[in-house]
Amino acid sequence: NAGVMQNPRHLVRRRGQEARLRCSPMKGHSHVYWYRQLPEEGLKFMVYLQKENIIDESGMPKERFSAEFPKEGPSILRIQQVVRGDSAAYFCASSPGTNSPLHFGNGTRLTVT
Amino acid sequence: DQQVKQNSPSLSVQEGRISILNCDYTNSMFDYFLWYKKYPAEGPTFLISISSIKDKNEDGRFTVFLNKSAKHLSLHIVPSQPGDSAVYFCAASVGNFGNEKLTFGTGTRLTIIP
Repeated sequence: NAGVMQNPRHLVRRRGQEARLRCSPMKGHSHVYWYRQLPEEGLKFMVYLQKENIIDESGMPKERFSAEFPKEGPSILRIQQVVRGDSAAYFCASSPGTNSPLHFGNGTRLTVT
Repeated sequence: DQQVKQNSPSLSVQEGRISILNCDYTNSMFDYFLWYKKYPAEGPTFLISISSIKDKNEDGRFTVFLNKSAKHLSLHIVPSQPGDSAVYFCAASVGNFGNEKLTFGTGTRLTIIP
């Protein structure tokens, strides 16, 4: 009964490189959410996706960030040309979409050097 | 603009006593509230929730109270156990059942003293 799986757990990138974060939702869950936690802060909503559709991306920075949840495979959060301010823990959550709280993965900690 | 506020960054409680964690919100559109617990290097784990049509929800040692007029909710843990030591996040949503996007507070680190 695997939970939400995120990889990698830790990712180090130099400024200007690309970061790709992966998330496999729980079995049977078709709704995926990405959240970001900056140091000493709470989690901030970024984007909500269903299979092949972005439902709500109101929390995504307008540039450099993109997310997808293809028909097959994990959801991907992609950050292009990373900057030091992108250093944070990125959490993925999933739900079956009906009357159920979000289940979170253990996160990917991104460090930009 | 912090719409969900947890004003106590940390709290220490003796084992066996009651732990009370507080949360205030400013957005009157919020109609579903949740508490999540987080251990270091792990993701948040859902603990308990309450809909705005209720003022109390209980699950074992955990009870959440909601005061809509004061825009305040609290989580009571009794009796507190060492395994309860974690960071607790209050979260709120507009929309049904809490599976819409959540607005989180900044968390309260609870330490249970044996």
